[in-house]
Amino acid sequence: SQQGEEDPQALSIQEGENATMNCSYKTSINNLQWYRQNSGRGLVHLILIRSNEREKHSGRLRVTLDTSKKSSSLLITASRAADTASYFCATAPYNAGNNRKLIWGLGTSLAVNP
Amino acid sequence: EAGVAQSPRYKIIEKRQSVAFWCNPISGHATLYWYQQILGQGPKLLIQFQNNGVVDDSQLPKDRFSAERLKGVDSTLKIQPAKLEDSAVYLCASSSYILAGVPAGELFFGEGSRLTVL
Repeated sequence: SQQGEEDPQALSIQEGENATMNCSYKTSINNLQWYRQNSGRGLVHLILIRSNEREKHSGRLRVTLDTSKKSSSLLITASRAADTASYFCATAPYNAGNNRKLIWGLGTSLAVNP
Repeated sequence: EAGVAQSPRYKIIEKRQSVAFWCNPISGHATLYWYQQILGQGPKLLIQFQNNGVVDDSQLPKDRFSAERLKGVDSTLKIQPAKLEDSAVYLCASSSYILAGVPAGELFFGEGSRLTVL
């Protein structure tokens, strides 16, 4: 079953605006990861945030994690046309016995219009 | 550092035919994953190897899919016979950091192999 659920499913903004995507999950996690996928390409890792962290930054990216709400958000500031892509969150379970694989969401499709 | 290599990039076959995909992970990465990604969906794990042993193949349709990772380096995923619903992108990924069996670090993905079954 898909644990990670991103919202919105699709987002369209103008260049220069900020884009915020959210990810919710159901069970305790070891870490949560965000990936980007350009059309027709493989996935590229953006940020990994561990369960004991609340916020991480990387360039124009900011990720927050709220374990009490079982949710994370990815903020892209000052967006560019090149940020147009699908964004996925993936959760690594914590102490999940035999179920240790990353759980992927369905992704948010971001379109940044010039 | 060379990335994850996959081939072929594109393959078109008739249903009931067979196909094989190859993956060469980043050097030194002990963990290798095969994912299936259907258009508009997130990746679905088919099989995970740790060195040349299988860690998870619970979602691999074993009546038609098989995968091997001989010598713990490159890997091959085979589909025989293919069905229409196998049309998807097959992504290979590798990672070096596993903690108690849980992915504790980033995955590095190849560009994928796009399969179309007619």
